[in-house]
Amino acid sequence: RKEVEQDPGPFNVPEGATVAFNCTYSNSASQSFFWYRQDCRKEPKLLMSVYSSGNEDGRFTAQLNRASQYISLLIRDSKLSDSATYLCAVGADGLTFGKGTHLIIQP
Amino acid sequence: DVKVTQSSRYLVKRTGEKVFLECVQDMDHENMFWYRQDPGLGLRLIYFSYDVKMKEKGDIPEGYSVSREKKERFSLILESASTNQTSMYLCASSATPSDTEAFFGQGTRLTVV
Repeated sequence: RKEVEQDPGPFNVPEGATVAFNCTYSNSASQSFFWYRQDCRKEPKLLMSVYSSGNEDGRFTAQLNRASQYISLLIRDSKLSDSATYLCAVGADGLTFGKGTHLIIQP
Repeated sequence: DVKVTQSSRYLVKRTGEKVFLECVQDMDHENMFWYRQDPGLGLRLIYFSYDVKMKEKGDIPEGYSVSREKKERFSLILESASTNQTSMYLCASSATPSDTEAFFGQGTRLTVV
Protein backbone atom coordinates (compact mmCIF):
# COMPACT_ATOMS: atom_id res chain seq x y z
CA ARG A 1 0.00 0.00 0.00
CA LYS A 2 1.34 3.39 -0.97
CA GLU A 3 1.39 5.81 1.96
CA VAL A 4 2.08 9.52 1.87
CA GLU A 5 1.86 11.25 5.23
CA GLN A 6 1.67 14.91 6.16
CA ASP A 7 1.06 16.79 9.38
CA PRO A 8 -2.42 18.27 8.83
CA GLY A 9 -1.70 21.34 10.98
CA PRO A 10 -2.94 23.99 11.06
CA PHE A 11 0.36 25.81 11.19
CA ASN A 12 -0.28 29.34 12.46
CA VAL A 13 2.66 31.50 11.46
CA PRO A 14 3.21 35.27 11.73
CA GLU A 15 3.73 37.17 8.52
CA GLY A 16 7.39 37.37 7.59
CA ALA A 17 8.37 34.19 9.38
CA THR A 18 9.91 31.09 7.86
CA VAL A 19 7.91 27.90 7.93
CA ALA A 20 8.77 24.37 6.90
CA PHE A 21 6.86 21.16 6.66
CA ASN A 22 7.64 17.63 5.63
CA CYS A 23 5.96 14.82 3.81
CA THR A 24 6.99 11.20 4.27
CA TYR A 25 6.40 8.42 1.77
CA SER A 26 6.56 4.67 2.17
CA ASN A 27 7.22 3.47 -1.38
CA SER A 28 10.98 3.38 -1.90
CA ALA A 29 10.41 2.96 -5.65
CA SER A 30 8.89 6.45 -5.90
CA GLN A 31 10.42 8.44 -8.73
CA SER A 32 8.72 11.81 -8.81
CA PHE A 33 7.79 14.30 -6.15
CA PHE A 34 5.68 17.43 -6.15
CA TRP A 35 4.20 20.11 -3.93
CA TYR A 36 0.71 21.38 -4.78
CA ARG A 37 -1.12 24.32 -3.30
CA GLN A 38 -4.86 24.25 -2.74
CA ASP A 39 -6.84 27.33 -1.78
CA CYS A 40 -10.16 27.01 0.01
CA ARG A 41 -12.86 25.60 -2.31
CA LYS A 42 -10.46 25.53 -5.24
CA GLU A 43 -8.63 22.80 -7.09
CA PRO A 44 -5.00 21.87 -6.32
CA LYS A 45 -2.40 23.57 -8.48
CA LEU A 46 1.24 22.66 -8.89
CA LEU A 47 3.53 24.75 -6.71
CA MET A 48 6.79 23.08 -7.61
CA SER A 49 8.42 19.84 -8.55
CA VAL A 50 11.01 18.36 -6.20
CA TYR A 51 14.26 17.22 -7.74
CA SER A 52 17.01 15.12 -6.23
CA SER A 53 19.25 18.18 -6.12
CA GLY A 54 16.58 20.31 -4.50
CA ASN A 55 14.59 23.07 -6.08
CA GLU A 56 14.21 26.76 -5.28
CA ASP A 57 11.65 29.17 -6.66
CA GLY A 58 11.76 32.58 -5.06
CA ARG A 59 10.77 32.24 -1.41
CA PHE A 60 10.02 28.53 -1.78
CA THR A 61 12.56 25.72 -1.44
CA ALA A 62 11.78 22.06 -1.85
CA GLN A 63 14.11 19.23 -0.97
CA LEU A 64 14.15 15.47 -1.27
CA ASN A 65 15.73 13.07 1.19
CA ARG A 66 15.65 9.63 -0.41
CA ALA A 67 17.46 7.90 2.45
CA SER A 68 14.82 8.93 4.96
CA GLN A 69 12.02 8.99 2.38
CA TYR A 70 10.66 12.45 2.85
CA ILE A 71 10.32 15.69 0.98
CA SER A 72 10.21 19.13 2.53
CA LEU A 73 8.89 22.57 1.68
CA LEU A 74 10.38 25.73 3.13
CA ILE A 75 8.68 29.08 2.78
CA ARG A 76 10.72 32.15 3.66
CA ASP A 77 9.38 35.64 4.41
CA SER A 78 5.83 34.29 4.48
CA LYS A 79 3.02 36.43 3.09
CA LEU A 80 -0.66 36.52 3.97
CA SER A 81 -1.32 35.15 0.48
CA ASP A 82 0.63 31.99 1.33
CA SER A 83 -2.28 30.85 3.50
CA ALA A 84 -3.50 27.65 1.88
CA THR A 85 -3.33 23.89 2.12
CA TYR A 86 -0.13 22.35 0.79
CA LEU A 87 -0.36 18.86 -0.65
CA CYS A 88 2.59 16.68 -1.40
CA ALA A 89 2.34 14.17 -4.22
CA VAL A 90 4.56 11.17 -4.85
CA GLY A 91 4.74 9.35 -8.15
CA ALA A 92 5.31 5.64 -8.67
CA ASP A 93 2.88 4.00 -11.04
CA GLY A 94 0.46 6.84 -10.47
CA LEU A 95 0.39 9.89 -8.22
CA THR A 96 -0.45 9.50 -4.54
CA PHE A 97 -1.32 12.64 -2.60
CA GLY A 98 -0.88 13.40 1.04
CA LYS A 99 -3.85 14.75 2.97
CA GLY A 100 -2.36 18.21 3.05
CA THR A 101 -0.94 20.64 5.58
CA HIS A 102 -3.07 23.68 6.38
CA LEU A 103 -1.03 26.88 6.68
CA ILE A 104 -2.40 30.12 8.12
CA ILE A 105 -0.26 33.24 7.91
CA GLN A 106 -1.30 35.78 10.51
CA PRO A 107 -0.81 39.55 10.22
CA ASP B 1 -4.09 28.40 -21.08
CA VAL B 2 -4.47 24.68 -20.41
CA LYS B 3 -7.80 23.56 -19.14
CA VAL B 4 -9.58 20.73 -17.47
CA THR B 5 -13.27 21.42 -17.33
CA GLN B 6 -15.86 19.65 -15.23
CA SER B 7 -19.43 19.93 -16.33
CA SER B 8 -20.92 21.07 -13.02
CA ARG B 9 -19.67 22.95 -9.96
CA TYR B 10 -22.54 21.83 -7.76
CA LEU B 11 -24.95 18.93 -8.03
CA VAL B 12 -27.72 17.68 -5.78
CA LYS B 13 -29.03 14.19 -6.47
CA ARG B 14 -31.36 11.78 -4.76
CA THR B 15 -30.36 8.44 -3.30
CA GLY B 16 -30.55 5.73 -5.94
CA GLU B 17 -30.16 8.05 -8.91
CA LYS B 18 -27.61 7.33 -11.61
CA VAL B 19 -25.19 10.26 -11.72
CA PHE B 20 -22.81 11.28 -14.50
CA LEU B 21 -19.86 13.59 -13.86
CA GLU B 22 -18.18 14.79 -17.02
CA CYS B 23 -14.62 15.98 -17.50
CA VAL B 24 -12.99 17.38 -20.62
CA GLN B 25 -9.34 18.35 -21.15
CA ASP B 26 -7.86 20.31 -24.03
CA MET B 27 -4.20 19.33 -23.59
CA ASP B 28 -4.23 16.10 -25.61
CA HIS B 29 -3.22 14.21 -22.45
CA GLU B 30 -3.46 10.45 -22.50
CA ASN B 31 -3.80 10.14 -18.73
CA MET B 32 -6.93 11.15 -16.85
CA PHE B 33 -7.96 10.61 -13.26
CA TRP B 34 -10.96 10.90 -10.97
CA TYR B 35 -10.43 11.69 -7.29
CA ARG B 36 -12.74 12.45 -4.44
CA GLN B 37 -11.71 14.76 -1.63
CA ASP B 38 -13.17 14.62 1.85
CA PRO B 39 -12.16 16.50 5.02
CA GLY B 40 -9.56 14.54 6.93
CA LEU B 41 -9.20 11.95 4.17
CA GLY B 42 -7.50 13.99 1.47
CA LEU B 43 -7.52 13.13 -2.20
CA ARG B 44 -8.38 9.53 -2.94
CA LEU B 45 -8.10 8.01 -6.41
CA ILE B 46 -11.28 6.41 -7.71
CA TYR B 47 -10.37 5.45 -11.28
CA PHE B 48 -7.82 6.40 -13.88
CA SER B 49 -7.32 5.91 -17.58
CA TYR B 50 -4.09 5.75 -19.57
CA ASP B 51 -5.71 5.66 -22.97
CA VAL B 52 -9.00 5.76 -24.80
CA LYS B 53 -11.32 2.93 -23.77
CA MET B 54 -8.86 1.90 -21.09
CA LYS B 55 -9.59 2.14 -17.35
CA GLU B 56 -7.97 1.05 -14.14
CA LYS B 57 -9.34 0.94 -10.62
CA GLY B 58 -7.86 3.27 -8.09
CA ASP B 59 -7.99 2.97 -4.33
CA ILE B 60 -11.76 3.36 -3.85
CA PRO B 61 -13.62 2.19 -7.00
CA GLU B 62 -16.60 0.62 -5.25
CA GLY B 63 -19.88 2.19 -6.31
CA TYR B 64 -18.32 3.95 -9.30
CA SER B 65 -17.61 3.23 -12.94
CA VAL B 66 -15.99 5.28 -15.69
CA SER B 67 -16.13 5.77 -19.42
CA ARG B 68 -13.46 7.04 -21.81
CA GLU B 69 -14.77 6.93 -25.35
CA LYS B 70 -12.69 9.88 -26.55
CA LYS B 71 -9.23 11.00 -25.54
CA GLU B 72 -10.37 14.35 -24.21
CA ARG B 73 -13.34 13.13 -22.17
CA PHE B 74 -13.43 11.03 -19.01
CA SER B 75 -16.74 10.42 -17.29
CA LEU B 76 -17.38 9.21 -13.76
CA ILE B 77 -20.60 7.32 -13.17
CA LEU B 78 -22.29 6.69 -9.87
CA GLU B 79 -24.50 3.71 -10.67
CA SER B 80 -26.84 4.23 -7.72
CA ALA B 81 -25.96 7.28 -5.69
CA SER B 82 -25.76 6.93 -1.93
CA THR B 83 -25.37 9.52 0.81
CA ASN B 84 -21.81 8.36 1.55
CA GLN B 85 -20.88 9.50 -1.96
CA THR B 86 -21.52 13.11 -1.00
CA SER B 87 -18.13 14.65 -1.66
CA MET B 88 -15.98 16.94 -3.78
CA TYR B 89 -15.03 15.19 -7.01
CA LEU B 90 -11.93 16.30 -8.88
CA CYS B 91 -10.88 15.30 -12.35
CA ALA B 92 -7.26 15.60 -13.45
CA SER B 93 -5.17 14.97 -16.51
CA SER B 94 -1.45 14.64 -17.14
CA ALA B 95 0.97 13.89 -19.93
CA THR B 96 2.38 10.87 -18.07
CA PRO B 97 0.93 8.65 -15.32
CA SER B 98 3.09 10.05 -12.54
CA ASP B 99 6.15 11.99 -13.72
CA THR B 100 4.58 15.24 -14.80
CA GLU B 101 2.21 17.86 -13.47
CA ALA B 102 -1.40 16.86 -12.99
CA PHE B 103 -3.87 19.54 -14.00
CA PHE B 104 -7.12 19.58 -12.09
CA GLY B 105 -10.59 20.67 -12.98
CA GLN B 106 -12.42 23.06 -10.71
CA GLY B 107 -14.23 20.27 -8.92
CA THR B 108 -17.83 19.15 -8.59
CA ARG B 109 -19.39 19.30 -5.17
CA LEU B 110 -21.96 16.49 -5.16
CA THR B 111 -24.60 16.21 -2.48
CA VAL B 112 -26.70 13.05 -2.34
CA VAL B 113 -29.89 13.45 -0.33
